[in-house]
This record gives sequence, C-alpha cells and structure tokens, in this order.
Amino acid sequence: DSGVTQTPKHLITATGQRVTLRCSPRSGDLSVYWYQQSLDQGLQFLIQYYNGEERAKGNILERFSAQQFPDLHSELNLSSLELGDSALYFCASREGRDTDTQYFGPGTRLTVL
Amino acid sequence: GDSVTQMEGPVTLSEEAFLTINCTYTATGYPSLFWYVQYPGEGLQLLLKATKADDKGSNKGFEATYRKETTSFHLEKGSVQVSDSAVYFCALSDRYGNNRLAFGKGNQVVVIP
Repeated sequence: DSGVTQTPKHLITATGQRVTLRCSPRSGDLSVYWYQQSLDQGLQFLIQYYNGEERAKGNILERFSAQQFPDLHSELNLSSLELGDSALYFCASREGRDTDTQYFGPGTRLTVL
Repeated sequence: GDSVTQMEGPVTLSEEAFLTINCTYTATGYPSLFWYVQYPGEGLQLLLKATKADDKGSNKGFEATYRKETTSFHLEKGSVQVSDSAVYFCALSDRYGNNRLAFGKGNQVVVIP
C-alpha cells in the first residue's frame, strides 16, 4: 500500500459526459501528479500540482482540468468524454522538495461507451 | 524532450532463469532513473531507483546500474520466480520539468513454473 488513495476504482460512462476522479496523496506530500495509461499511448504525464498551485502541464487535453484543494487532495475533471478517453488514470504524490520519488495510487479505470 | 526506450515485446522465461530488461534514455542533464512494476489489476509500485551515474539500485533481488556513458539502466534478476510475473516500466525524472516522470512502454514478463 503506497498511501495514495484514488476513487472511484472503476467508472463507466457515456460519450459526451463529464466525470471527476479523486486522489488523496500520502500524508505530508504536497505534490500531486496525474498520469494517463492507455494501450496506444502508454503512460503519459498530464499535470502536476504543488500545494494548491499548478506547476507543470504535459499532454493534457483542453477538455480536461484539475485542481488541488487546501487539504491537498486533488481532482481531475474530464468533460465531453470521447471513446478514446477510456484509460487508466493514476495519481502519484512526491515525497518532498528534495527528493524525486513518486508513489502511485491504485488508479481509476475509466470506460467510455 | 526526455524519453525512455525499452526493448520491444514480452519476455517469457522459466522459473529460476536470469532476467534482463533493457532500458536506454535520452535526457537533458542528469535525471534520476527508476524501475516501476505493475502486477495484474494493480497500480505502479516503485521497484528501485538510482539518482546519479554509477549508482546501483536494488530491491527484492532486482538490480539496475545507472550508466551515463551508455545512457542505460538495464534491469536484472539472477533467478526469477512465478511471482515476478508483471509489467516492468523504466522511467526517468525530468528535473527541469518539475520531476514529471517519462516512462518507457513497459515489458510484460511471464515466468513459467
């Protein structure tokens, strides 16, 4: 158990809908990273937050957004869903400013029908 | 940008055989290097890491050495068990990109009794 929690574990929805994925980092970790794992693209970095502020953006679509709240949990919002958005979405938290090890949650499997 | 290349294709081997999974990287500067493992239906678990040239990471009988001259971080285990069956990902931490991880495509390892 990494200490990072994600909910829900599975999500099935229809095209055009909007969903929210939730992540709670390990106690004391200020950084949260979101990644997408799909069969064709592999594991890709989406976005990073540090103590409530966006710090880095990767291959994140404009239909996707994220935020980190004062209690440090983070949410990834996916809207106008398409079939191609079906994937595993992971969040990870980083130990601290002086280390670069990330610990991953169990992931949310999103299926868009 | 920074990238990681893993050898193509799944790896199938017998119990107690020697395992090698090749990983090479392209990066600006001196990234940290990681191996993560993903067991069926689970998230990513950190297996080992190395933060500078000539460092050797090790855990659970697995080893990898950070080779700057060949930009490689090959994973090895002397005697695999059936329980080592999983997908193995090589990754680097982009220090200029807020430590986002760049992953290789992963290698499925199947160990046959």
